[in-house]
Amino acid sequence: GAVVSQHPSRVICKSGTSVKIECRSLDFQATTMFWYRQFPKKSLMLMATSNEGSKATYEQGVEKDKFLINHASLTLSTLTVTSAHPEDSSFYICSAYEDSAPGGYTFGSGTRLTVV
Amino acid sequence: QQQVKQSPQSLIVQKGGIPIINCAYENTAFDYFPWYQQFPGKGPALLIAIRPDVSEKKEGRFTISFNKSAKQFSLHIMDSQPGDSATYFCAAATSGTYKYIFGTGTRLKVLA
Repeated sequence: GAVVSQHPSRVICKSGTSVKIECRSLDFQATTMFWYRQFPKKSLMLMATSNEGSKATYEQGVEKDKFLINHASLTLSTLTVTSAHPEDSSFYICSAYEDSAPGGYTFGSGTRLTVV
Repeated sequence: QQQVKQSPQSLIVQKGGIPIINCAYENTAFDYFPWYQQFPGKGPALLIAIRPDVSEKKEGRFTISFNKSAKQFSLHIMDSQPGDSATYFCAAATSGTYKYIFGTGTRLKVLA
């Protein structure tokens, strides 16, 4: 079945530094991937849609200069949190669409980002 | 109108009980309603989904009931087990779009 691998699973960084999170589709090609943010005990909020070979589409209120998305290949999308601050601490989850996946969408296992 | 309201926020049941989680929506353009199960520190996984042309769908111990006129749908977990303890999210989407609108989640705990 469709598998999405997300790395790292946990990362701690200092304020002001940048952190890159990778999302890979392991056994299928994903022209479109999605990035979500989840606060503790809260729902998933779509941040942006990552399109292979083109600019990402950001949801209203999401700073595109803060959350840089690159989708350079059909199997890899990256989210870079630039100049991270403690308020950026959150659980970030990617997903990708694949016809054979139940419901079409497969989610990665998430990345817990803590900014200190 | 894009919101999906989910209740309760948390739920505790005894093993073998039947927890019920409810969701309501406003946008009549929604035509796909999945439920996701999420364990701590993991991404959500699709549990079961329904489209508005049926009123009920059952997969194993999980059942979705759908009331189109009331714009409500619910998840029932039969013979619940401690391993079912997780956070459950309902969602709604319109076919052909990528936007899932997630409910706020229900933290379920099944006591042994």
